[in-house]
Amino acid sequence: QPVLTQPPSVSGAPGQTVSISCTGTSSNIGAKYDVQWYQQLPGTAPKLLIYGNFNRHSGVPDRFSVSKSGTSASLAITGLQGGDEADYYCQSYDRRLESWVFGGGTKLTVL
Amino acid sequence: QILLQESGPGLVKPSETLSLTCNVSGGSLSSSRYYWGWIRQSPGRGLEWIASVFYSGNNYYNPSLKSRVTTSLDTSKNEFSLRLTSVTAADTAFYYCASQYASGWTPLWYFDFWGQGTLVSVSS
Repeated sequence: QPVLTQPPSVSGAPGQTVSISCTGTSSNIGAKYDVQWYQQLPGTAPKLLIYGNFNRHSGVPDRFSVSKSGTSASLAITGLQGGDEADYYCQSYDRRLESWVFGGGTKLTVL
Repeated sequence: QILLQESGPGLVKPSETLSLTCNVSGGSLSSSRYYWGWIRQSPGRGLEWIASVFYSGNNYYNPSLKSRVTTSLDTSKNEFSLRLTSVTAADTAFYYCASQYASGWTPLWYFDFWGQGTLVSVSS
């Protein structure tokens, strides 16, 4: 079971806004460790979207934004486009497991 | 931008050793700001961090895999390698190498560039 919990799927129409949650515990997100977000387009490797909780990686549009509170974080995508269809993963560090850990991933479908 | 490319056998027999190499371009393996990571992905286990290696040998390993993992790094060839011993079907996965930006406190590090991945199947 993934250490960080994400909803299996979310969907939205073009132009709409969707949000993807990432829930952890006091040994990872709650320990104030940074949360990263990765995008995995079909058939490709994950790509870094957001690092250090709030920083967009180079080339990532400001349609992608994040929030974080307590043991959870959330990725919001505004102005949905067909090219946003992908799996999205959150990632942090877990001090109990002494490991960098990932969420189970959320499949975004653009209707 | 750092480019990474994994290589190695796509099929390994149970109980044998999985060996993969990652060639790096656009970045130096002897950089003080980067570790070099291995991550795998399978339907059953999702994304799982395996190991992070540094040119000085100060490496990090996933405790759940540590007893079976060996890593090495060759700065002259700009490549680093992973060996996973005593493999079973549970080790079947896409294996990715990635650069891990390692500035500041260890738990804050992140994987900024990934290779395309290579599928390794464990089967007799």
